[in-house]
This record gives sequence, structure tokens and C-alpha cells, in this order.
Amino acid sequence: DAGITQSPRHKVTETGTPVTLRCHQTENHRYMYWYRQDPGHGLRLIHYSYGVKDTDKGEVSDGYSVSRSKTEDFLLTLESATSSQTSVYFCAISEGGGRTDTQYFGPGTRLTVL
Amino acid sequence: GESVGLHLPTLSVQEGDNSIINCAYSNSASDYFIWYKQESGKGPQFIIDIRSNMDKRQGQRVTVLLNKTVKHLSLQIAATQPGDSAVYFCAENRAGTALIFGKGTTLSVSS
Repeated sequence: DAGITQSPRHKVTETGTPVTLRCHQTENHRYMYWYRQDPGHGLRLIHYSYGVKDTDKGEVSDGYSVSRSKTEDFLLTLESATSSQTSVYFCAISEGGGRTDTQYFGPGTRLTVL
Repeated sequence: GESVGLHLPTLSVQEGDNSIINCAYSNSASDYFIWYKQESGKGPQFIIDIRSNMDKRQGQRVTVLLNKTVKHLSLQIAATQPGDSAVYFCAENRAGTALIFGKGTTLSVSS
């Protein structure tokens, strides 16, 4: 599992509330990613990080922000959750250290926004 | 737009059969491909990868074939077992860009 943990694993929240998901890695990899997975869409990149305090947007970044204050932690925040953000969220790391290298995934967080 | 896709959304096989899962890609500039397996309730798990300078790569019970002429990728699983039941999807890498993931094929293995 490449030493990746995600918390919480499940969360139910209400529309309009802020939500923060945490990804933690133990192997000091430079690149970290947040994806969402929805039926019919596969995995879509939300944001990624290429180092502490270095982040960039992915394909579906609207409504999400990220922060990386330590190498090992990458946080995904939904400032005001909406029902369209109900999804399964996966964190990943690039073991090779580059954005185009093989990515390894965490176990996921299932988020339901009511 | 360009994307990685799979030919069939579902594949059903008998235990012990060989399975072949296909993937088509559209960008001839893609130079790296990965197959992932995702079991229900879990994150995608790396299976095998192949670079564009190769046509074939073998792992334990799995083989990936790359046909650059027709931009086609396949995953072969030998002696399929019930534990192989999962969603399989390919990912494509184009130099300088992020991985692009296909939507997946659900493999069902009956005993």
C-alpha cells in the first residue's frame, strides 16, 4: 500500500459545511495527488503537490483547495461541501518522484454530502 | 478529447480460464502505460506497467501487450482465479503530463 493512509475513511456531512480529508505517507515521496472516483468517470485528478507548499490544479479543482505544510501530509479541503462532491476520494503518491511516474494509491475516503 | 478507454465494461470468465482485458489509447505520444486492479472498497493496486519501447512485459500470471501501430494495450491474466475478480483499468502517460485513467472493465470469475 506504499505506506499511505487516509482519514477519515468514511464521512457523512451536510451541504454547506467545510470538510477536510487527510492523506499521510511514511516514505518521503515528493509528489502527492488527490483524485475523486465516480461511476462513469473513472479517476479524475483534483490537485497535486510537488513539494512542501507547492501545489497545482488538476482536471476538477473547482470547489477544492489543498495544503501541504509537511512532506508526509497532503490535505484536501472542501470549503463548503455540495452534493455533487459526494464521491470516493483517493490519495496517491509517485514512488519514482516524478509527476509522470507510477502512482500508488491509498485506501480511499468515502464522502457523502447530504 | 483524447482519453484512455476500454473496449468492454464487463468480462465474465470461468475459474482457470485465461482472461484478456483490452484498452485503446488515442495519443501516439503516450510512452508509458500502467494496469491497475481495484477490488470493491479498496484503492487501485498497481499490477504491471510497460513503456513504449517494449511490446510485451510479463509478471506473475499477468502479461501486458502493447501494439503501438493500432494504439492498443491488453492485459492477459493466466489461469484466472476468483480472487482476480475486480475492476481493471489502464492508465496512460504522455511525457510532461499527468496520468490519464480509463474507466475500467469489471472482471467476474465464477468457479
